[in-house]
Amino acid sequence: DTGVSQDPRHKITKRGQNVTFRCDPISEHNRLYWYRQTLGQGPEFLTYFQNEAQLEKSRLLSDRFSAERPKGSFSTLEIQRTEQGDSAMYLCASSANPVMYSGNTIYFGEGSWLTVV
Amino acid sequence: SQKIEQNSEALNIQEGKTATLTCNYTNYSPAYLQWYRQDPGRGPVFLLLIRENEKEKRKERLKVTFDTTLKQSLFHITASQPADSATYLCALFNQAGTALIFGKGTTLSVSS
Repeated sequence: DTGVSQDPRHKITKRGQNVTFRCDPISEHNRLYWYRQTLGQGPEFLTYFQNEAQLEKSRLLSDRFSAERPKGSFSTLEIQRTEQGDSAMYLCASSANPVMYSGNTIYFGEGSWLTVV
Repeated sequence: SQKIEQNSEALNIQEGKTATLTCNYTNYSPAYLQWYRQDPGRGPVFLLLIRENEKEKRKERLKVTFDTTLKQSLFHITASQPADSATYLCALFNQAGTALIFGKGTTLSVSS
């Protein structure tokens, strides 16, 4: 069973550097989500894709953040000019469509930890 | 704005007791509510989903209730075990149905 996989699991970077995270969703899922989580908080929604289209972005997703899902399969989340406040766990999740009224669940990856020093 | 509140204080109970966690929400009319478990350093794992027309849902030692009048869900773990120690997250879709919004979670610690 191949669940949602994320890479790298851990990344330490210097402030000002760019980082990129990759997410491979469950193969038949056409919806993909990115979340950010800091200690003591629940996951906070960043953005979501349906196939290759990015349909919603949170206000948390500043101009330094960009996400892509070029062929509707894997996705990347890039953070440019990292700041210490970007230190968090970045979670990717996927689900089948539809979700809201069908009760399809969202499956999360194990997350990518980012530490900005 | 839409808001989900969970008791942010940790819940400490003894093995064998029933743990009850609370989730309250405002400015929502959710079709259903979900509960997730999260272990330290891991991603959340889906546990249970309850629909607005269901008052109660059970799965093994887990029970969830959903009161749309009170805008509250209760999550119960009966005969709790140390392995149940984790953070439990309540989640609802936003009104547009595009994003699952989470509470902060309640950390449960079960001592033997």
